[in-house]
Amino acid sequence: DTGVSQDPRHKITKRGQNVTFRCDPISEHNRLYWYRQTLGQGPEFLTYFQNEAQLEKSRLLSDRFSAERPKGSFSTLEIQRTEQGDSAMYLCASSQPLVDEQFFGPGTRLTVL
Amino acid sequence: AQSVTQPDIHITVSEGASLELRCNYSYGATPYLFWYVQSPGQGLQLLLKYFSGDTLVQGIKGFEAEFKRSQSSFNLRKPSVHWSDAAEYFCAVGASSAGKLIFGQGTTLQVKP
Repeated sequence: DTGVSQDPRHKITKRGQNVTFRCDPISEHNRLYWYRQTLGQGPEFLTYFQNEAQLEKSRLLSDRFSAERPKGSFSTLEIQRTEQGDSAMYLCASSQPLVDEQFFGPGTRLTVL
Repeated sequence: AQSVTQPDIHITVSEGASLELRCNYSYGATPYLFWYVQSPGQGLQLLLKYFSGDTLVQGIKGFEAEFKRSQSSFNLRKPSVHWSDAAEYFCAVGASSAGKLIFGQGTTLQVKP
């Protein structure tokens, strides 16, 4: 068990470009979560999946953001037409059925120039 | 509205001294409460959690927390701080053990030698 992994760890992009992040949860974890953390703040919930179904989306998640988990394993988070305000750490977490702990990955740090 | 407040943004303690980090929550139902620690470049790690039962819960690394419903608080304590405890600490609340988490803005702990 290697833990939750995220790729890339760092991404620098120009305003207006699209970016995609990947999260690989711990195997057999059926729930997968995305959070966003800006400097000096706690993580903010974005969305979560149970298997391949997206069960909840935060109002923070504008229509420029889309997340998928097509086969119930890894997940991708895409941001279209990035803005400077999208600069943040994007965290992924996973949990297994009936277990009360979310395991977090190291995050992807996005910088939008 | 659901929220978590950590009143202390930054705390400095001497190594060997006791520590208390404050957390207050606002939640309409019975909360599930968590404390996470985040070291630089590391993912969030769960220290302890409270769902029900004994209001004093023990966690990893010698930490404990006490749930006080009347005060809507879940303060984190450690009797003797080690230099390796220097990190950022987040309190979080959830509606269930496996749902989304709402985090406080965090408390940065600095440990003086």
